[in-house]
Amino acid sequence: DAKTTQPTSMDCAEGRAANLPCNHSTISGNEYVYWYRQIHSQGPQYIIHGLKNNETNEMASLIITEDRKSSTLILPHATLRDTAVYYCIVRYSGGSNYKLTFGKGTLLTVNP
Amino acid sequence: SQTIHQWPATLVQPVGSPLSLECTVEGTSNPNLYWYRQAAGRGLQLLFYSVGIGQISSEVPQNLSASRPQDRQFILSSKKLLLSDSGFYLCAWSLTQYNEQFFGPGTRLTVL
Repeated sequence: DAKTTQPTSMDCAEGRAANLPCNHSTISGNEYVYWYRQIHSQGPQYIIHGLKNNETNEMASLIITEDRKSSTLILPHATLRDTAVYYCIVRYSGGSNYKLTFGKGTLLTVNP
Repeated sequence: SQTIHQWPATLVQPVGSPLSLECTVEGTSNPNLYWYRQAAGRGLQLLFYSVGIGQISSEVPQNLSASRPQDRQFILSSKKLLLSDSGFYLCAWSLTQYNEQFFGPGTRLTVL
């Protein structure tokens, strides 16, 4: 799986959009971009994933650049409960690849 | 909707004692099931995965074992715990190995 690079930490004001960047310059054509988050002392929570096109669900939007070398997770209206470590994962969904490999992620702190 | 349960939530065990952690999934059939461990300050490590009843694959050889006695039940065991077994144990499920994985709340194990 391709390596990802994320900022160590970010701050966001409550009610504002949180934009979390991720670089994955070595991504290959059949690798997806996944985002998870982990609130302190809880299990990771799946947020969204995509291959080429931008994706949106009830939690967030995922913007993938045309060359697929980077992406941005957008939380449109951050709340205090969105404070968590956010992980960007690039994963080949095929063959016998079962595992998720989490890097260090970005600690997002939403401030009142 | 699907839900995943793990128990106990926390556990403190002496070195050399046995271990049994349980995970159950509701609302789906024949899920892929996974056991991960997250040690303090480290990433997620896949320990075992299962694609069906009685089918277990081990990622990391160690003193832990896993069993899947029923379709939606996954058990992590050890006959004799080591200090290095301390960590946050997470169970996850997915529809197939190609789909996103959904995590349970985790069990925090401390071996003294």
